[in-house]
Amino acid sequence: ETGVTQTPRHLVMGMTNKKSLKCEQHLGHNAMYWYKQSAKKPLELMFVYSLEERVENNSVPSRFSPECPNSSHLFLHLHTLQPEDSALYLCASSQDQGFVNEQFFGPGTRLTVL
Amino acid sequence: AQTVTQSQPEMSVQEAETVTLSCTYDTSESNYYLFWYKQPPSRQMILVIRQEAYKQQNATENRFSVNFQKAAKSFSLKISDSQLGDTAMYFCAFMKHPQGGSEKLVFGKGTKLTVNP
Repeated sequence: ETGVTQTPRHLVMGMTNKKSLKCEQHLGHNAMYWYKQSAKKPLELMFVYSLEERVENNSVPSRFSPECPNSSHLFLHLHTLQPEDSALYLCASSQDQGFVNEQFFGPGTRLTVL
Repeated sequence: AQTVTQSQPEMSVQEAETVTLSCTYDTSESNYYLFWYKQPPSRQMILVIRQEAYKQQNATENRFSVNFQKAAKSFSLKISDSQLGDTAMYFCAFMKHPQGGSEKLVFGKGTKLTVNP
């Protein structure tokens, strides 16, 4: 596979569940990002990782917990979510963080919290 | 803080015609970058075109071009000879020049463009 992949593509969970979103990039990039895309709102940057280190946490609630075990993989662990957390979660990667490189996006995970 | 405004939630255009999508932004930075991203239905978001603020010449990529008015803080996207495959959400985005910090894209709310046959 090439590019940025995300699994699962769709996820429905209850407020007490624990689930994880996975992102994988096959581009040899060093920086990875999580965004939240809600209807009628701008994309919101959640987290930025550069060389597996978190460099930005954009005031995201602790019920979202990112993990970057290596430069190719990024996870978003979810627990005790709220219905307003329902959204499309996009992963992106770029060559380097701190330079103006194009960000390549994955297809997203459509999350519904019941 | 930077903000990006796309005042047209939805637009439509006939195939082969030209359409312009509006974008304005607010910043006190002098060195920055502007982008248009395209998100087709159920498909991945991809970069369409980018503009460096220090360049006066408007960027062009095939049928896509921008009208960058730095003083007015305006960055519109023109799509010529519209094709059915241009149907998508279009997002305008801003990034200030990285200075050892985060490469943070600030997005507008998007414009849903429909190309009609």
